[in-house]
Amino acid sequence: GQQLNQSPQSMFIQEGEDVSMNCTSSSIFNTWLWYKQDPGEGPVLLIALYKAGELTSNGRLTAQFGITRKDSFLNISASIPSDVGIYFCAGHAGTYKYIFGTGTRLKVLA
Amino acid sequence: NAGVTQTPKFQVLKTGQSMTLQCAQDMNHEYMSWYRQDPGMGLRLIHYSVGAGITDQGEVPNGYNVSRSTTEDFPLRLLSAAPSQTSVYFCASSYSGERDSPLHFGNGTRLTVT
Repeated sequence: GQQLNQSPQSMFIQEGEDVSMNCTSSSIFNTWLWYKQDPGEGPVLLIALYKAGELTSNGRLTAQFGITRKDSFLNISASIPSDVGIYFCAGHAGTYKYIFGTGTRLKVLA
Repeated sequence: NAGVTQTPKFQVLKTGQSMTLQCAQDMNHEYMSWYRQDPGMGLRLIHYSVGAGITDQGEVPNGYNVSRSTTEDFPLRLLSAAPSQTSVYFCASSYSGERDSPLHFGNGTRLTVT
């Protein structure tokens, strides 16, 4: 089946640093979503991207829809302790299905 | 608005037992779905529904049944639980299930099968 590869799998960063993560696929997607999951909770939508090349921000978060439509990127600027969690990308696979990546686990050192 | 509500939050079953995981949404969403989350595997689609009376299989449907008799509710049934079904289960809904309709998730049910 379709797969999304997310990297890195996990990362430790210092508070105040910028963070970059990405998601790649062998298939083309028409929508990319980025979610954050806190421990014991469900994923919460951060950013939705609908057009190739689109760059969208939500506070300190910026995401881009890759021009090839096979990848997407998420950047977090000036990280803070509450940015800790697991970040998931998801692509809309058509026929009512979203495919999710395996997640990037972010840990912030104060 | 409560959003997507899942019950119970935790459940322990013995192999062979049956149970139903409940999911309800109050956003008048037509599309509802069930995912399971396992370490290192991300979220995998079990079943989904595009409206009352309509359901279809996702990536990992074996061992699970669903039905959709109302717009609000989408229960997931395990008829004979197996240890391989130990996982965290998430229900998610969206307005239509189309590409411009992001998913909204519940807070999950953590199921352990012994």
